[in-house]
Amino acid sequence: DSGVTQTPKHLITATGQRVTLRCSPRSGDLSVYWYQQSLDQGLQFLIQYYNGEERAKGNILERFSAQQFPDLHSELNLSSLELGDSALYFCASSVGTSGHSYNEQFFGPGTRLTVL
Amino acid sequence: AQTVTQSQPEMSVQEAETVTLSCTYDTSESNYYLFWYKQPPSRQMILVIRQEAYKQQNATENRFSVNFQKAAKSFSLKISDSQLGDTAMYFCAFMKHNAGNMLTFGGGTRLMVKP
Repeated sequence: DSGVTQTPKHLITATGQRVTLRCSPRSGDLSVYWYQQSLDQGLQFLIQYYNGEERAKGNILERFSAQQFPDLHSELNLSSLELGDSALYFCASSVGTSGHSYNEQFFGPGTRLTVL
Repeated sequence: AQTVTQSQPEMSVQEAETVTLSCTYDTSESNYYLFWYKQPPSRQMILVIRQEAYKQQNATENRFSVNFQKAAKSFSLKISDSQLGDTAMYFCAFMKHNAGNMLTFGGGTRLMVKP
């Protein structure tokens, strides 16, 4: 158990719908990262938040957005869902952002999203 | 942008034998980190081993070791005394130093350990 929790574990929805994935980081971790694992795109970085502020953006679609709340939990919002959005979405957390030292990322168990 | 390539989609090894998984990467950075992650059937991402690019000594963690060739941009993972529990997807990953901690992953190698 990494200490990172993600809810829900599974989500099945229809095209055009909107869903919210939730992540609670490890106690004390300020950074949250979202990754998408799909058959087509492999594992790719979506977005990072540090202490409530967006820090880095990867290959995140405009239909997707995220935020980190004052209690440090994060939500990834996916809208106008398409079949191709079906994937495993991971959240990871770390103590900080890289700065001058390495911060290990701890991954949650993932949320499996199926778009029908 | 960085790219990470794993040229072996699938590999198999007999229990107790040794197997080596390959990874190459492309970057213009001089300071970075490289990782191997394991993803068993449970789908959990587990860090296996980490290598800092500025360190010449290859990292080792029990039965896992790496062969880091910076000039060749190669980073292979050797698993000794393979165990059934090593059956998993293995991902090679890259992280720039001092630039936000995001990981760039390779496409993965599916390893099957056979009894």
